[in-house]
Amino acid sequence: SAVISQKPSRDICQRGTSLTIQCQVDSQVTMMFWYRQQPGQSLTLIATANQGSEATYESGFVIDKFPISRPNLTFSTLTVSNMSPEDSSIYLCSARGNAYEQYFGPGTRLTVT
Amino acid sequence: GENVEQHPSTLSVQEGDSAVIKCTYSDSASNYFPWYKQELGKGPQLIIDIRSNVGEKKDQRIAVTLNKTAKHFSLHITETQPEDSAVYFCAASTGGADGLTFGKGTHLIIQP
Repeated sequence: SAVISQKPSRDICQRGTSLTIQCQVDSQVTMMFWYRQQPGQSLTLIATANQGSEATYESGFVIDKFPISRPNLTFSTLTVSNMSPEDSSIYLCSARGNAYEQYFGPGTRLTVT
Repeated sequence: GENVEQHPSTLSVQEGDSAVIKCTYSDSASNYFPWYKQELGKGPQLIIDIRSNVGEKKDQRIAVTLNKTAKHFSLHITETQPEDSAVYFCAASTGGADGLTFGKGTHLIIQP
């Protein structure tokens, strides 16, 4: 199984600013994904981070708001741009190797004031 | 797109008893069904999964069953212990480049 770390683990940000979340995997993986989990809720897929090309976004999520980078097979970033209180959530990175199993990082808890 | 329904939202069982959580999915193309356990303040932990070419899979006290015809799958935990208390999520995927679609979660409470 892959071990995934995220930075920062939590942050409190002001409205209108941006935050970049980093995700590091301990081995090369085929797929990386970003999810959002609002307090007490389930997980919702934001986008698939594609290595060497633009991310693939799910309905309701756009690149201008959530730009994603994936420069190599072990690292990805998610930026939450022009934040509002509605962006307060846990943001989770996941990774999938050649098999179907998908493993998650510990999450980044974001509070926007 | 895929829609995953999960029941119940809360389940309270006596320690030592069994717990069953059920999920249904809508997309017949889905072929991979994992279950995650999430403890407070942590990321989801993969505990068991099943592919669509298998009807049942077991790992110690945990088992998952899949009924492709009815489009539902279930998590069974036997001999429950206090450390089983957590939120459990089912999910479905068509595999390939697709991510996971999650159910809303079940808060499992193990009563001493």
